[in-house]
Amino acid sequence: GAVVSQHPSWVICKSGTSVKIECRSLDFQATTMFWYRQFPKQSLMLMATSNEGSKATYEQGVEKDKFLINHASLTLSTLTVTSAHPEDSSFYICSADRELYGYTFGSGTRLTVV
Amino acid sequence: ELKVEQNPLFLSMQEGKNYTIYCNYSTTSDRLYWYRQDPGKSLESLFVLLSNGAVKQEGRLMASLDTKARLSTLHITAAVHDLSATYFCAVDSSGTYKYIFGTGTRLKVLA
Repeated sequence: GAVVSQHPSWVICKSGTSVKIECRSLDFQATTMFWYRQFPKQSLMLMATSNEGSKATYEQGVEKDKFLINHASLTLSTLTVTSAHPEDSSFYICSADRELYGYTFGSGTRLTVV
Repeated sequence: ELKVEQNPLFLSMQEGKNYTIYCNYSTTSDRLYWYRQDPGKSLESLFVLLSNGAVKQEGRLMASLDTKARLSTLHITAAVHDLSATYFCAVDSSGTYKYIFGTGTRLKVLA
């Protein structure tokens, strides 16, 4: 079964609202998780590194105030898209280090902002 | 800045044929990964290549890594329709586990 779970898998929200996406490591602890976004028919772009108990590290060009990341426990990281706009519509994927097995990707969340 | 490029971007091929997808990267890295992505789905890990000269095979797919040339290949043997998907290579940026993904190769195998 999936070892990295994302929830929800699909969400539609109105412009101006906020959406929270959860990434859970199911049977292991992850001090570091990564968040990626993928536009249709494009590659994955790293957004930020989520560190348990500390602030996230954002990649250049990613607005930290818009994409809030919280990694409050060793099994959960959340990404909140604040004041979402249609251009934020994308596929968001997290990954977590499963030690001997390497980084495992979550099932992804498709966000549509209308 | 690490850049990862794949070639070709799109590939349409007949069943039973062979083909190779190339992944070039711009800076030194000893870790390279291949993933498969089906439409609307997340990534499925195919291969992890951790050293120069590494070669791994699974079914009709074989991946290799040449760290000196900064090149990895994904070879498809006797393609079947089920292999239709988008294939990504990813390189570990300086051992930080921050993956930089290639542009992707969209493969369509025609029956």
